[in-house]
Amino acid sequence: SQQGEEDPQALSIQEGENATMNCSYKTSINNLQWYRQNSGRGLVHLILIRSNEREKHSGRLRVTLDTSKKSSSLLITASRAADTASYFCATEVGGSRLTFGEGTQLTVNP
Amino acid sequence: GAVVSQHPSWVICKSGTSVKIECRSLDFQATTMFWYRQFPKQSLMLMATSNEGSKATYEQGVEKDKFLINHASLTLSTLTVTSAHPEDSSFYICSARDPVKGANQPQHFGDGTRLSIL
Repeated sequence: SQQGEEDPQALSIQEGENATMNCSYKTSINNLQWYRQNSGRGLVHLILIRSNEREKHSGRLRVTLDTSKKSSSLLITASRAADTASYFCATEVGGSRLTFGEGTQLTVNP
Repeated sequence: GAVVSQHPSWVICKSGTSVKIECRSLDFQATTMFWYRQFPKQSLMLMATSNEGSKATYEQGVEKDKFLINHASLTLSTLTVTSAHPEDSSFYICSARDPVKGANQPQHFGDGTRLSIL
């Protein structure tokens, strides 16, 4: 079963707007990772945040982690049509094994 | 950067056929690789952990005789779907991580294999 739950399941915004996706999990983790998947393709790694970190940035991406609430968020600022994809959080508990959330389908309208 | 290559990208075959999918780590040695299955509009479900030189570890509910995994070298793992049936149609994805880089590193994913059984 999936450890992570993501919300929203689907998000539709206009170009230039910000997109926020949330992820919750159930057990203690080593790290939490965010991935992007374009339709019919493999996953591309976006950001990894360790359990002792609270926030991380990469370009237009900002990830937060709240281990007390067992939750994380991914913020994409100034979204572009090319950001349209599915976004998944994944938690690593040990041994590099990942458990994925249900994913958020983001649509950015030009 | 590290790359994982998966082949073939798309397979269409008749029911009863066995299909082999390859997953290669191109610039690192992967003692462990992971195989996932993804149904349309759903998340990735881990099927099994492929271990170089030893038996694969299967997740609960995954038939090991149906999904044969071989990890004979440090750069290649194969998943064979035996006697495939239409319900096996899915998107199969592999991943691996460079063990030399230590813990807290991302996985590298193949581009996936779309399997369609007629």
